[in-house]
Amino acid sequence: DQQVKQNSPSLSVQEGRISILNCDYTNSMFDYFLWYKKYPAEGPTFLISISSIKDKNEDGRFTVFLNKSAKHLSLHIVPSQPGDSAVYFCAASGNQFYFGTGTSLTVIP
Amino acid sequence: DVKVTQSSRYLVKRTGEKVFLECVQDMDHENMFWYRQDPGLGLRLIYFSYDVKMKEKGDIPEGYSVSREKKERFSLILESASTNQTSMYLCASSLASASTDTQYFGPGTRLTVL
Repeated sequence: DQQVKQNSPSLSVQEGRISILNCDYTNSMFDYFLWYKKYPAEGPTFLISISSIKDKNEDGRFTVFLNKSAKHLSLHIVPSQPGDSAVYFCAASGNQFYFGTGTSLTVIP
Repeated sequence: DVKVTQSSRYLVKRTGEKVFLECVQDMDHENMFWYRQDPGLGLRLIYFSYDVKMKEKGDIPEGYSVSREKKERFSLILESASTNQTSMYLCASSLASASTDTQYFGPGTRLTVL
């Protein structure tokens, strides 16, 4: 059973606009959440994280929002750049990390 | 910078062969992980290790075994490869906590079993 879900397999956004990637989880015991970015032929790299005691964490152009009651988190990228084109995985932590299925973001110049 | 290396980028094996995938990290991390990535399924944890000679099953351990004889090296073994083990295999390491510390990934091994 998929405990972390990314329901949009792909997303296209114009350069300079906002990209919003969504992630839902089922286990209310998860207490730490991360986003990873993956380019083709490379391993995933850590992007940003958030603890369950917060509802927002910001790092430059990247902001992660956590809505615990809805069991939902989202990643906002503003402004989007062509170099942001990659697959984005969300992950949630219980006794191990559980990864979502990924969303492929394409930023159109 | 943490570096996680995997022995092969691409590997082609035949059904029934024994396959070894090697992973080495250079940052003295306690934890090491093996995942497989499949389209539509994301990353799924096969095994992880929190110490030398220690291992824990992940979500999909069937058909796999692991070995960690040295802290920096974590091997994934397919005892008898099958076509449904064709996948991208990713190794990762993390410093101390297996559930909160950031994981650093290797570049992956694309395994094809014919």
